[in-house]
Amino acid sequence: AQKITQTQPGMFVQEKEAVTLDCTYDTSDPSYGLFWYKQPSSGEMIFLIYQGSYDQQNATEGRYSLNFQKARKSANLVISASQLGDSAMYFCAMREELTSGTYKYIFGTGTRLKVLA
Amino acid sequence: EPEVTQTPSHQVTQMGQEVILRCVPISNHLYFYWYRQILGQKVEFLVSFYNNEISEKSEIFDDQFSVERPDGSNFTLKIRSTKLEDSAMYFCASSRTPASASEQFFGPGTRLTVL
Repeated sequence: AQKITQTQPGMFVQEKEAVTLDCTYDTSDPSYGLFWYKQPSSGEMIFLIYQGSYDQQNATEGRYSLNFQKARKSANLVISASQLGDSAMYFCAMREELTSGTYKYIFGTGTRLKVLA
Repeated sequence: EPEVTQTPSHQVTQMGQEVILRCVPISNHLYFYWYRQILGQKVEFLVSFYNNEISEKSEIFDDQFSVERPDGSNFTLKIRSTKLEDSAMYFCASSRTPASASEQFFGPGTRLTVL
């Protein structure tokens, strides 16, 4: 079975600094997708970044980049130049194919990031 | 930009009552999903839906739960007789195709509180 592990329940970072949120995954599928979502205190899930298992380059979206190390099965999220508004819960997720051919997401337990002024 | 919408944003109900959570997926999406997040825990898959029937469901999705696409736009999750442990955030999601490399688009969630 596929699994997502986020080992950091909480992280602090100083404003304007960079921070790395860890995510490791386990799957036997050769084709998979990895995602990061941000969940602010209001509760909604905000898509941040996606990395496909066959993508040659690490994904980047503005201040977000994904440090994808396939051999180590890690997909860490890097947030550069942290802002106070980055304070939130961050979830790593993997797309798992279901027997019906549809997909579901498996989520990690999340990392709560607090940006300090 | 198209988005998934959910109503209500917060629902409070008494134990044993029926609730219907509503979702409007993105208009050209064909695959629909419900997830649940109990407070402080991770998001869990409940059910996927395509072509007017359930494609897959998790062990959480027991006989108390049902889903329906009553018209061309809405996608609903019904809990027949709510229990205290049903209190959670419920997220609807949709995708254009199952094999799409793009993500499922999540709605903003409905916070269900069962008293």
